[in-house]
Amino acid sequence: ETGVTQTPRHLVMGMTNKKSLKCEQHLGHNAMYWYKQSAKKPLELMFVYNFKEQTENNSVPSRFSPECPNSSHLFLHLHTLQPEDSALYLCASSPTRTGMNTEAFFGQGTRLTVV
Amino acid sequence: AQKITQTQPGMFVQEKEAVTLDCTYDTSDPSYGLFWYKQPSSGEMIFLIYQGSYDQQNATEGRYSLNFQKARKSANLVISASQLGDSAMYFCAMITNTGNQFYFGTGTSLTVIP
Repeated sequence: ETGVTQTPRHLVMGMTNKKSLKCEQHLGHNAMYWYKQSAKKPLELMFVYNFKEQTENNSVPSRFSPECPNSSHLFLHLHTLQPEDSALYLCASSPTRTGMNTEAFFGQGTRLTVV
Repeated sequence: AQKITQTQPGMFVQEKEAVTLDCTYDTSDPSYGLFWYKQPSSGEMIFLIYQGSYDQQNATEGRYSLNFQKARKSANLVISASQLGDSAMYFCAMITNTGNQFYFGTGTSLTVIP
């Protein structure tokens, strides 16, 4: 248990559905991240929030929409996804954005399948 | 550009033996941190060990040690006395002083054989 909780753990959605992934941490961290993990590919950073402000958007399609209402919660809103968006979506947090000597704490991920 | 390379997609080790998982990195930033994470089938990424670019000694955490060779830009993970519970994916990652994200390799799948 790392202190970062993601819900749901598994999600199956159709291409016309709208769903949201939730991430929650009560570690007092100021930076939160969304990563996408596809099979046999490196983890892909999607979004970075630092003190609730989005500081990074790695050319993510607009069908993925992040929301960070406070430092403890991070959402990823999904709509009109494609089958190739099926992947494990990992949320992480760290004390600060550029703290080199502090690791990122990861949630258990949401396994998303788009049908 | 920052890059992490893990050349071993899969490794096997006998229980109680030691195993080395390879990781090389590329960055022009003189200040960086290197991490190893373990990802069991449950999906969670578990932090194992950290090495700073200016650290003089190789990092150790219990059965995990990091063989840091700065000139060769390698940061191999050594797991001693392997246990069945060590079977998982292992990811090498890096963060640089100027970056704001963790760069991950493609991972190595380790299987411990009884």
